[in-house]
Amino acid sequence: QVQLVQSGAEVKKPGASVKVSCKASGYTFTGYYMHWVRQAPGQGLEWMGWINPNSGGTNYAQKFQGWVTMTRDTSISTAYMELSRLRSDDTAVYYCARGSQIPAAIPDWFDPWGQGTLVTVSS
Amino acid sequence: QSALTQPASVSGSPGQSITISCTGTSSDVGGYNYVSWYQQHPGKAPKLMIYDVSNRPSGVSNRFSGSKSGNTASLTISGLQAEDEADYYCSSYTSSSTLEVVFGGGTKLTVL
Repeated sequence: QVQLVQSGAEVKKPGASVKVSCKASGYTFTGYYMHWVRQAPGQGLEWMGWINPNSGGTNYAQKFQGWVTMTRDTSISTAYMELSRLRSDDTAVYYCARGSQIPAAIPDWFDPWGQGTLVTVSS
Repeated sequence: QSALTQPASVSGSPGQSITISCTGTSSDVGGYNYVSWYQQHPGKAPKLMIYDVSNRPSGVSNRFSGSKSGNTASLTISGLQAEDEADYYCSSYTSSSTLEVVFGGGTKLTVL
């Protein structure tokens, strides 16, 4: 079955970087966009951006431009999200989620989602 | 503040029907048929329940249905069951210059 498995929880100090991985299985990794969404404790969902695993092209929400980097390794069907210059308000669960089939231009659904990776930023 | 507006909470008794609204603008909900709905149980990842306004993915109960009128989309759950108690989020594509996807703030559904 289609599945996304993310890396484990991280604790980082302010100013550090974190890199979260998302391993895909059960489908053609290069055939679908991969999105990243975060959820602060007790809060709602926030879209961060997507990567096209086939081309490596990315599209980030303006809020995250300059401090998020999304990459992929097609040889192991894994997507990565790196967030730099971490602040305490970046403490959140970070999810990867499969998006629409490439080359669909519109991100109209996310399915499935990874189990989430808790990133805690604390001094 | 979320881009899409949802009620903070709704409730209903087993067997009843409830509707959750999701209000946006002509730049998102009203302008495109790319509204989706997600169910999230505590400590779990969101699950897709409805996509493209009214389509149900395979495996999702037909008790869940979606619709849209103008700038407001709605999720209706009929024949409420205890396991429907969860948070529900709407999402839409947006033509905003700063991002492509917006979410609602979420609605807590309580089954009485």
